[in-house]
Amino acid sequence: EPEVTQTPSHQVTQMGQEVILRCVPISNHLYFYWYRQILGQKVEFLVSFYNNEISEKSEIFDDQFSVERPDGSNFTLKIRSTKLEDSAMYFCASSPLGGTLTGELFFGEGSRLTVL
Amino acid sequence: SQQGEEDPQALSIQEGENATMNCSYKTSINNLQWYRQNSGRGLVHLILIRSNEREKHSGRLRVTLDTSKKSSSLLITASRAADTASYFCATDEQSARQLTFGSGTQLTVLP
Repeated sequence: EPEVTQTPSHQVTQMGQEVILRCVPISNHLYFYWYRQILGQKVEFLVSFYNNEISEKSEIFDDQFSVERPDGSNFTLKIRSTKLEDSAMYFCASSPLGGTLTGELFFGEGSRLTVL
Repeated sequence: SQQGEEDPQALSIQEGENATMNCSYKTSINNLQWYRQNSGRGLVHLILIRSNEREKHSGRLRVTLDTSKKSSSLLITASRAADTASYFCATDEQSARQLTFGSGTQLTVLP
């Protein structure tokens, strides 16, 4: 069964460093998402991506964040200068539907980011 | 309360019992979904109910939706220890293009 894969599973970084989290969405899906979950808290929307551009972003997704789909398969989340409060589990998701009607999202297993 | 708030926050039951979790939301929605998350893992889609549906079944899962009360419930019948997980409702708001997740219910099923 097709699945969303994320790498790395766990990354430890120093505050101020840049981090890139990678995702390979399901191949025939058109909509891609990043969510994050701080330990023990709710899953928060960061950004959605369609047709090679950001479709929607939350207040969390400020200038230190960026997303890219560099080669038609990978979908990356870059955090430019990490802060302690960026420590969280970051989930990538993809969906064949989106826009005005969001269907089932298929999530990866997540990348745990620890900022020291 | 925020969009997609579940209650209870935690629920502990014996194997074989039924588990009911509730979700309330605030805005108009296209659909409501329920997801499951095992500890430290990704979210897995369980069931989707559209705004014009009132009830939906999938195996041991039963979901209801009351758009007039802006609430939904997830019933897991004949629970098993393997059902132990966090359960989240997620709403697809009519004005947004993404899912908004609730705070989740931590279900523990004791063998």
